[in-house]
Formats: sequence, structure tokens, C-alpha cells
Amino acid sequence: AQTVTQSQPEMSVQEAETVTLSCTYDTSESDYYLFWYKQPPSRQMILVIRQEAYKQQNATENRFSVNFQKAAKSFSLKISDSQLGDAAMYFCAYRLDYGGATNKLIFGTGTLLAVQP
Amino acid sequence: GAVVSQHPSRVICKSGTSVKIECRSLDFQATTMFWYRQFPKQSLMLMATSNEGSKATYEQGVEKDKFLINHASLTLSTLTVTSAHPEDSSFYICSAASGGGLPYEQYFGPGTRLTVT
Repeated sequence: AQTVTQSQPEMSVQEAETVTLSCTYDTSESDYYLFWYKQPPSRQMILVIRQEAYKQQNATENRFSVNFQKAAKSFSLKISDSQLGDAAMYFCAYRLDYGGATNKLIFGTGTLLAVQP
Repeated sequence: GAVVSQHPSRVICKSGTSVKIECRSLDFQATTMFWYRQFPKQSLMLMATSNEGSKATYEQGVEKDKFLINHASLTLSTLTVTSAHPEDSSFYICSAASGGGLPYEQYFGPGTRLTVT
């Protein structure tokens, strides 16, 4: 069975600094997606970034980038120039790439990020 | 685009009564909808996957007679908590996925806070 592990329950970063959130996963599949979701205090889940496993190039979205190491089954999120609005719970998630829309997301336990002014 | 709504956002009910939560995809057709439960400071726990016009698939340990899921149309799924008890108090989140092609992104609703007194 697939599992997702986030070993950092809480992290803190100074405003304008860079922080990296860790995520590892376990799967025997070769085709899958990896995601980082942000859940601010409003509880609305927001997609931060998506990585297709078949792509070697790391995904980037503005200040957010990932370090995807497929062989090591590692998928970390780097937030550059941290802003107060980045404070939230961040969840790493895995999803298979076949079977269509019915494939479920498997979430990690989350990392609570605090941003210090 | 890709907006999912939930109604109500908050509900308080007495122990023993039933409560219905609606999840709607506002601007796309959702072939598949997912229902999650989230306790404070914890991850999302998938309860069930529903496909339009067919019976929901429940995760292990989720009581299907207690959590009734109906996905009657491509834009609406409902979760009914029957004979609610205080331990059912939680934050319930739905997500919807379009069957219109990769990457079958899941779009999340804003959640419903259920309090059973």
C-alpha cells in the first residue's frame, strides 16, 4: 500500500527567508502524481504545486518549487521569500496516474508552518 | 474556474438526529466526488469515493449505514450523517474530480463543521 510521510510536524521561518518542507512516500508504482496542498486557518485546501512522476524536471510555481527524487521517493517543497500569508498547514499527497478520476489522494500527516515577522 | 461549494458551512444538531451536507461542483461536471473527515490539527481522512449514478465506495472502518452518500447528478453529492452522536463532530470536506481528462484534478470544497450536542 502507498504511504506518505511528513516527518516535520511543525516548522518556523522568518519572513523573506527560505524554508524546505520534507516528504517521503512509498509505492511500487511507476506512474503517479505528487502534490503539495496548503490549508490556511480558513481550512480551504489549496493546491500549491503538482509533480508528474514521469517528468524529471522539478515543478515550480512562482516562489514554490519542489525537489523530486524519484529513486529516493522524496518530494520536498521549498518556499522562497516567505510571506506572512504562507503560514498554514502543508500536506504532501500522492495519487496514482491510472484509473482516471476515481484515484484517491493519499495525504501525509501535515507540517504546520509558522512565518515570523 | 473549478469551484466546489459545500452547504452548510456550519451545522449544530442534537444527538440522535440526522444531518445532510451538500457538495456541488459549480462550473464543471464531477464524475467522481470524495468525502473526507478532518479532526483538529490532523490530516484528511478519506471516508468514501462516489461516482455519479452508482453506489459509493467506503474506506475500511467507515460505517456505510451511518454515513450515507448519494451522488445523484454530475454536480451534486450529499453526505447524510444518520443518528448523529457527539463523536461524529468533526470537519467534513468534499472534493470533486472531473472525468474530462488528465490530470483529473481534485477541487476541494470549503468544508462543513458539524457539532453534535
